[in-house]
Amino acid sequence: AQKVTQAQTEISVVEKEDVTLDCVYETRDTTYYLFWYKQPPSGELVFLIRRNSFDEQNEISGRYSWNFQKSTSSFNFTITASQVVDSAVYFCALDGANNLFFGTGTRLTVIP
Amino acid sequence: GAGVSQSPRYKVAKRGQDVALRCDPISGHVSLFWYQQALGQGPEFLTYFQNEAQLDKSGLPSDRFFAERPEGSVSTLKIQRTQQEDSAVYLCASSLSWQTTSSGANVLTFGAGSRLTVL
Repeated sequence: AQKVTQAQTEISVVEKEDVTLDCVYETRDTTYYLFWYKQPPSGELVFLIRRNSFDEQNEISGRYSWNFQKSTSSFNFTITASQVVDSAVYFCALDGANNLFFGTGTRLTVIP
Repeated sequence: GAGVSQSPRYKVAKRGQDVALRCDPISGHVSLFWYQQALGQGPEFLTYFQNEAQLDKSGLPSDRFFAERPEGSVSTLKIQRTQQEDSAVYLCASSLSWQTTSSGANVLTFGAGSRLTVL
């Protein structure tokens, strides 16, 4: 069965600091997709990234970067030079046969 | 529409009442999902439709929960005889088609959710 673990429940950083959100997953599938979603206070989950298990290249998008390591079953998310607008709950997710399996989320608070 | 629309945004029900939550997915999205999100938790899968067919309802917590998508577009999640433990945010999501592997097919777009409070 698919499982996603986000051990960090809450993180607080001061604006402009870098922060890394951890995600560890479990699956028996040989091909799978990993995702990160952002849930701001408004409540709507916003898609950030999808990564295929065959592609272990790290990805950077502006201040966001993702480190996928199959050997440790991890898919960590780093925000560089954090901003107050980054404050939200971030969810890591893994695809299954008929749905996405989500972790419990990490609440990030960026203090001005 | 441009996004996934859910209504009502907020619903307060007395224990024992029936409630109906509506989801209007993105036009052309074949797959539709319902999730339940308790306070401080991640979304938990409830059920999945491919067009009008309900292919997976393994996440529905009891037979008081019922979902339908009769014309393959709008979906309704109905909860009968609500209990306090049903209090949660109910999220609807849609995707192009979960069954294909084309780019973006399994990217879920979520609505803002319906917050249900059972007193």
